[in-house]
Amino acid sequence: EAGVAQSPRYKIIEKRQSVAFWCNPISGHATLYWYQQILGQGPKLLIQFQNNGVVDDSQLPKDRFSAERLKGVDSTLKIQPAKLEDSAVYLCASSISRTGELFFGEGSRLTVL
Amino acid sequence: DAKTTQPTSMDCAEGRAANLPCNHSTISGNEYVYWYRQIHSQGPQYIIHGLKNNETNEMASLIITEDRKSSTLILPHATLRDTAVYYCIVRSGLGQGGKLIFGQGTELSVKP
Repeated sequence: EAGVAQSPRYKIIEKRQSVAFWCNPISGHATLYWYQQILGQGPKLLIQFQNNGVVDDSQLPKDRFSAERLKGVDSTLKIQPAKLEDSAVYLCASSISRTGELFFGEGSRLTVL
Repeated sequence: DAKTTQPTSMDCAEGRAANLPCNHSTISGNEYVYWYRQIHSQGPQYIIHGLKNNETNEMASLIITEDRKSSTLILPHATLRDTAVYYCIVRSGLGQGGKLIFGQGTELSVKP
């Protein structure tokens, strides 16, 4: 079974530039999550989708972060404009919701200079 | 959301059992205890979860106290590959709405 795919693996940008991350969940997984993990900390939930609808985006900084999952499969997370404190690993996860067992991708590491 | 408390770090000798404690004294009756681990430079990996009863799978055992205020994850024969950060999480909500909120976790070092 193919796992959660994320790209790019690494991205370096300057502050005030924009960046987009892509996630392809495991086939058939209706729930998709984006987490932000700053070095030395646990992952922080940014947004949760159920199919193509948003379940929870209470921790998403909506002035600069946006996410979409238009067809209920792939998802894109965008940051515009980026700040230094956005340097982190962005993790995508998917689940067959009821079990709470999330499958994580390897993450996209963002460095903002 | 119920909060969890874990030791920051622990060491374990290779081949011995690793016992990782977690305190969740404010857990509610319908909240599950989940354990994940994160090996360096990888995404977190699901290990096991439970509600009241002890659980065992091919990776680990989960022991939950009768009052549900604490639990212990047991890796019966730790190997060097088990070196990772282990997260104990109380899952809020039910079914599709439940979300996982990660804390700081316990950094387990398995030594030869």
